[in-house]
Amino acid sequence: QLQLQESGPGLVKPSETLTLTCTVLGGSVASTTYSWDWIRQSPGKGLEWLGTIYYSGTTLYSPSLKNRLSISVDASNNQLSLKLISVTDADTGVYYCGRVTSARSLDVWGIGTTVTVSP
Amino acid sequence: QSVLTQPPSVSGAPGQRVDISCTGTSSNIGSRYDVNWYQQLPGTSPRLLMFADTLRPSGVPDRFSGSKSGTSASLAISGLQAEDEAHYYCQSFDRILGGSVFGGGTKLTVL
Repeated sequence: QLQLQESGPGLVKPSETLTLTCTVLGGSVASTTYSWDWIRQSPGKGLEWLGTIYYSGTTLYSPSLKNRLSISVDASNNQLSLKLISVTDADTGVYYCGRVTSARSLDVWGIGTTVTVSP
Repeated sequence: QSVLTQPPSVSGAPGQRVDISCTGTSSNIGSRYDVNWYQQLPGTSPRLLMFADTLRPSGVPDRFSGSKSGTSASLAISGLQAEDEAHYYCQSFDRILGGSVFGGGTKLTVL
């Protein structure tokens, strides 16, 4: 059964770069059937789509983050990663990675990793 | 401000039925993009509850049903149980924004 495991620094200073990793267990990040999303949830708030990466390597990014965000896949380590530059306290939250089906539904979610932006 | 609009809260007594609406526009739900629903229990990751408007993943009880018409979708939960108390989110794709969009979420309270 596929499992996703996010990992990251936990605490990031304002203006620095946030890098998160999502390890795919029990499946392949290089699957041609699925794409992969990053989603975040600010404290006490709803879900926010950040971006998608397809098998082809094509990426889609939220317009509000497009200039700061990049998503990539490392097939050799079966991981996907998120890189967000120039973070502010508005980037604080729980970050999830998820597997995306053809209906654009996320059928598998990671447990999430908490990121706090603070001096 | 979320692209898809949901009521902040709904409530119902055990055994009753509740409906959670999700209102979009012509650039998302109205363009016939699939609507998906997620359930998030306190302190846990979201779980896929409904996909492609009306389909239930394996393991989701048939007390949960989905529908869509025009620019809106709805999630119905019948035979309410205490374990249904959670936040529910709708999701679709928006062709103008060029990506997925979520509703703001609805907190279901079982009285």
